[in-house]
Amino acid sequence: NAGVTQTPKFRVLKTGQSMTLLCAQDMNHEYMYWYRQDPGMGLRLIHYSVGEGTTAKGEVPDGYNVSRLKKQNFLLGLESAAPSQTSVYFCASSYLGPYSYEQYFGPGTRLTVT
Amino acid sequence: DAKTTQPNSMESNEEEPVHLPCNHSTISGTDYIHWYRQLPSQGPEYVIHGLTSNVNNRMASLAIAEDRKSSTLILHRATLRDAAVYYCILLRRDGNTGKLIFGQGTTLQVKP
Repeated sequence: NAGVTQTPKFRVLKTGQSMTLLCAQDMNHEYMYWYRQDPGMGLRLIHYSVGEGTTAKGEVPDGYNVSRLKKQNFLLGLESAAPSQTSVYFCASSYLGPYSYEQYFGPGTRLTVT
Repeated sequence: DAKTTQPNSMESNEEEPVHLPCNHSTISGTDYIHWYRQLPSQGPEYVIHGLTSNVNNRMASLAIAEDRKSSTLILHRATLRDAAVYYCILLRRDGNTGKLIFGQGTTLQVKP
């Protein structure tokens, strides 16, 4: 199993450009999550999904959109990138709810917005 | 969300036990205690979790105080690979979901 994979690994955007980050998991997990991590900080939850076709907002959802059209994929979109969105983005998945089941994280995508 | 307090940093010698403390005085009865760690330039990795009783797995042990207001992650023999940021997280059930709220964690340095 590949576990959780993220595409791309690195990206540089100019202010106002758009992009989509792809997260894929091959563990048949119901729950998927997108986090961001700024330098020296812990992770903050952007959006999450409790199953195919569902999405919900986390702590810091503004400026991002998500879609979960297939159970194994969770897409994070930036419609108009801003320098404040420069961060490392992590995707995670878990079997059911995270209150007892561990979350598996991807390797991250480092995004720079200039 | 319930808050946890951890020391910013700790040091250990290789092959010695490490005790990483976490205070969570506002914990509620249904909050699970989760520990994750993040190695440099990697995504977080699950370590262990518990509710009331002490827990052991292949990576570590979790000791939970009787009043549940604090817990300790125990690495029995630290290796250089254990150098990471360790996050103690309280997870409260919210219907069928629960969200991990990361704090700043404890940076563990392991000396050879």
